[in-house]
This record gives sequence, C-alpha cells and structure tokens, in this order.
Amino acid sequence: GNSVTQMEGPVTLSEEAFLTINCTYTATGYPSLFWYVQYPGEGLQLLLKATKADDKGSNKGFEATYRKETTSFHLEKGSVQVSDSAVYFCALSPSAGNMLTFGGGTRLMVKP
Amino acid sequence: GAVVSQHPSWVICKSGTSVKIECRSLDFQATTMFWYRQFPKQSLMLMATSNEGSKATYEQGVEKDKFLINHASLTLSTLTVTSAHPEDSSFYICSARGSGSSYNEQFFGPGTRLTVL
Repeated sequence: GNSVTQMEGPVTLSEEAFLTINCTYTATGYPSLFWYVQYPGEGLQLLLKATKADDKGSNKGFEATYRKETTSFHLEKGSVQVSDSAVYFCALSPSAGNMLTFGGGTRLMVKP
Repeated sequence: GAVVSQHPSWVICKSGTSVKIECRSLDFQATTMFWYRQFPKQSLMLMATSNEGSKATYEQGVEKDKFLINHASLTLSTLTVTSAHPEDSSFYICSARGSGSSYNEQFFGPGTRLTVL
C-alpha cells in the first residue's frame, strides 16, 4: 500500500537558518505529492504540491521537488522565520483529489 | 475560494451525550467529504469518506454506529459522535473535495476540538 515517511521532530532552528524536512514515499504509479502546514490549534493548510516527476512546488519561500528516482519530496526553505513554527505534514494521493496518505508530521520550532 | 468551515470549533460535553460536528463548503460544491481524527502530536487518521447522497465508507477499525456521518447536501456533512466517552476526546478535522479541475484537491476545515468529561 501507499505510505509516507517523514523525519521525526521536533526540529529546532534559529531564525534565518536553512530548513530541510525529509519526506520519502512508497506508492504505485505516479502519485501527487503535497506538503501541508498546521499552525497550533488550527486545521491543515496546503503549502505546496507537485503532480509529476521533477515538478517543483513552491510557496512562501518553501520549495520541494518531486524526485521519482529517490521517491522523495523534501521540503526546504532558505531562511526560516519564527512565524514558520508549525507542524508540517507530507502527503501523497494516488491521483489529485483522491484519498490522502499522511506522514507522521514534523514539528518545527524557530527561535528568535 | 475553496473555503471549508467547521462548527463548533470547540465543544465540551459530559460522558454519554452525543455531539454533532458540521462541516460546510462555503463557496463550492463538495462531492466528497473526508473526516479525520488527530490525537495530540500525531498525524491525521482518516475515519471515513462520504459522498453526497450515499452512505459513508468507514476505514477499518472505525465504528460506524458510534461515528455517524451524514452528507445530505453538496455543501454540508455532519459527524455525530454518539454516546461520547473520554477516549473520544480528540481533534476532528474535515476536508472537502469538489469536482472539476479547479477543485480536484482536498480543502481542510479548521478542526473541532472535542473534550468529553
């Protein structure tokens, strides 16, 4: 079946540090890949997505590239801010809009 | 566009009572809605998938008689936790998916925190 594995947190960084959150997946075919962000006490917000190999999703300074050869979709940001503190979920869908399979989530804490 | 709301955002109830949570798509027609449960510091667990006008499909291990799901219209789905007990305390999140290329992804509601005393 489908599965998503994320690096365990929490990840603690100082403001303006470089961020990488690893995500790898197992799936048949060509899934769509997503990163969602959850701020404290809130639901999930779509951060970025990629629907085919080599696509790069980007939003708010975050980027992730769909790497089929390594089955990965690592999230990166060049300079994090305190406001980026949240839980980040990697997810896949067999095709856009179908059921989502989530990774375990990675908590990011950014200190001033 | 593509906004999903949930009501209430927070509810506290006594053990044995039933609680209804509403999930609404505000500006699009949701052909499919999903209900998730999230425990503290954990990922989302899909509970069930509901399509408008038909019975919900429950994931393995989810009691359909305890978690009643109704998707009576294209903009509203409800989750009723019947005879709630403290172990049902959790964060419940819904998502909605429309039809057509613009909405062929899931949009999430803000969640409902249920505390059962």
